[in-house]
Amino acid sequence: EPEVTQTPSHQVTQMGQEVILRCVPISNHLYFYWYRQILGQKVEFLVSFYNNEISEKSEIFDDQFSVERPDGSNFTLKIRSTKLEDSAMYFCASSENRELSEQYFGPGTRLTVT
Amino acid sequence: GEDVEQSLFLSVREGDSSVINCTYTDSSSTYLYWYKQEPGAGLQLLTYIFSNMDMKQDQRLTVLLNKKDKHLSLRIADTQTGDSAIYFCAYNQGGKLIFGQGTELSVKP
Repeated sequence: EPEVTQTPSHQVTQMGQEVILRCVPISNHLYFYWYRQILGQKVEFLVSFYNNEISEKSEIFDDQFSVERPDGSNFTLKIRSTKLEDSAMYFCASSENRELSEQYFGPGTRLTVT
Repeated sequence: GEDVEQSLFLSVREGDSSVINCTYTDSSSTYLYWYKQEPGAGLQLLTYIFSNMDMKQDQRLTVLLNKKDKHLSLRIADTQTGDSAIYFCAYNQGGKLIFGQGTELSVKP
């Protein structure tokens, strides 16, 4: 069964460093998403991406964040200068279309900023 | 505004039924979902219901939707220890999912 994959599973970085989280969505899916879950809190939407551009972003997704689909299979989330409060589990998801189909999630990348 | 509320904990005995409840505020949502998260793992889509339905059954899972009261529930029949996990209710708002805080289900043998 096709699945969303994410690498790395755990990333430790120092405050102020740049990190890139990688995702490979399900191959025939057209919509891609990033969510994050701070420990003990709700899963929060960060950004959605379609046709090589951002469809929607939340207020969390500020200028420190960017997304890219560098090739036909990868979807990345970059955090330019990490802060302590960026420590969270980051989930990538993909879906066939925007509203009428379910979103499939990857296993997540745990980001720890020290 | 967008909000989804769930109770934080539920404890049941193996073999009993579990009922996890959720209330939401956005009446325009078209799809509502239940996701399961096992310790250290990602979010697994369990089931979903379209907003014009009031019930959906899928093996041991029954989803009930009361659109008037904006109340969604997930019933797990014959709950097993492998069902122990956090269960998230979510709805689709223009493509993005809005999640509840999750209900931790503990199944005692």
